[in-house]
Amino acid sequence: NAGVTQTPKFQVLKTGQSMTLQCAQDMNHEYMSWYRQDPGMGLRLIHYSVGAGITDQGEVPNGYNVSRSTTEDFPLRLLSAAPSQTSVYFCASTPWESGIETQYFGPGTRLLVL
Amino acid sequence: QQQVKQSPQSLIVQKGGISIINCAYENTAFDYFPWYQQFPGKGPALLIAIRPDVSEKKEGRFTISFNKSAKQFSLHIMDSQPGDSATYFCAASTGGQNFVFGPGTRLSVLP
Repeated sequence: NAGVTQTPKFQVLKTGQSMTLQCAQDMNHEYMSWYRQDPGMGLRLIHYSVGAGITDQGEVPNGYNVSRSTTEDFPLRLLSAAPSQTSVYFCASTPWESGIETQYFGPGTRLLVL
Repeated sequence: QQQVKQSPQSLIVQKGGISIINCAYENTAFDYFPWYQQFPGKGPALLIAIRPDVSEKKEGRFTISFNKSAKQFSLHIMDSQPGDSATYFCAASTGGQNFVFGPGTRLSVLP
């Protein structure tokens, strides 16, 4: 198992550009989520999905879109990048079984918006 | 009410010492309290977790103490080692969804 994979590892964007952060998992987990990590603020939930075709907003959803067409993939889209979106982005997946709530995190994507 | 507070922001401990990190929450609906360990350049990884029906959980050198009435929980690392140097995050969730994380504690264990 590769676990949770994220691409790219690092990206530089100019303000106003769009891009998609890719996330994939091969553990057949139903629940997937996106976080951003900023210094001194821990991880903040952007969007999450409890299964294919179902997504919902987290704490900081503005400026980001998600879709979940398959169990394996959960891409995060920045429609018009802003410097405030400079951050490290983590994707995570969780098995949707009662009593098992371990989140498995990917290695992260470091995004710099100029 | 969704916030999870964490202290201290940074911690320096001598090798062999005890590291203690504290967290507090407000939302009584939280029913799962994990601790994550993160090394530089890596994603967080689950270290240990507890549910509110027990007051303590121990796994090796790591122990979670949970005080439901005070809405506080803490991580104790016994016999701290230089390899434990990392950032530690407490978190809380309801029903396995919408995890809320504390701001993190950077632990340095001196050899």
